[in-house]
Amino acid sequence: GQQLNQSPQSMFIQEGEDVSMNCTSSSIFNTWLWYKQDPGEGPVLLIALYKAGELTSNGRLTAQFGITRKDSFLNISASIPSDVGIYFCAGRAPGDDKIIFGKGTRLHILP
Amino acid sequence: EAGVAQSPRYKIIEKRQSVAFWCNPISGHATLYWYQQILGQGPKLLIQFQNNGVVDDSQLPKDRFSAERLKGVDSTLKIQPAKLEDSAVYLCASSFVRDIGETQYFGPGTRLLVL
Repeated sequence: GQQLNQSPQSMFIQEGEDVSMNCTSSSIFNTWLWYKQDPGEGPVLLIALYKAGELTSNGRLTAQFGITRKDSFLNISASIPSDVGIYFCAGRAPGDDKIIFGKGTRLHILP
Repeated sequence: EAGVAQSPRYKIIEKRQSVAFWCNPISGHATLYWYQQILGQGPKLLIQFQNNGVVDDSQLPKDRFSAERLKGVDSTLKIQPAKLEDSAVYLCASSFVRDIGETQYFGPGTRLLVL
């Protein structure tokens, strides 16, 4: 089945640093989604992307829908302690209602 | 607005026992999803309902898993009998419309441990 490759698996950064993570697929997607999951909670949608090349921001978060439609990127600027958590990319392939999730990037922030 | 409610939050059972999870979606949301999230993985869709009808259950292990949404509102997911590999978080989500662009709202999940 379709799989999303998310990298890196985990990140350790200093507070205030910028963060970049990405997600790739072997097949094209027509929707890319980025979620954050805190411990003991369900994922929460951060950004949704619907067009190739689309660049969308949500506060300090910026995500892009790759031109090839096979990848997406999430950037977090000036990280703060509450950014700690697991970030999942997810996508929907053409003609499919299902959302496929990546394995997540676990973000740790060092004091 | 109240979020997606799930119960119980935690459940520990022995293998071969049965277990049921309950979900109450956000009021007015016609679409309801059950996901399985194994430790270290992203959520995997088990079943999707539109009102009280099943839209997609292609990834539901039907020999042991069943789900229903009889009145098109709340839903139950059952595992009978449970196996060790069923240990996971079971997430329920709901959305308002079933088309491109809908936002799925997730509940807090039920953490199942099968011993």
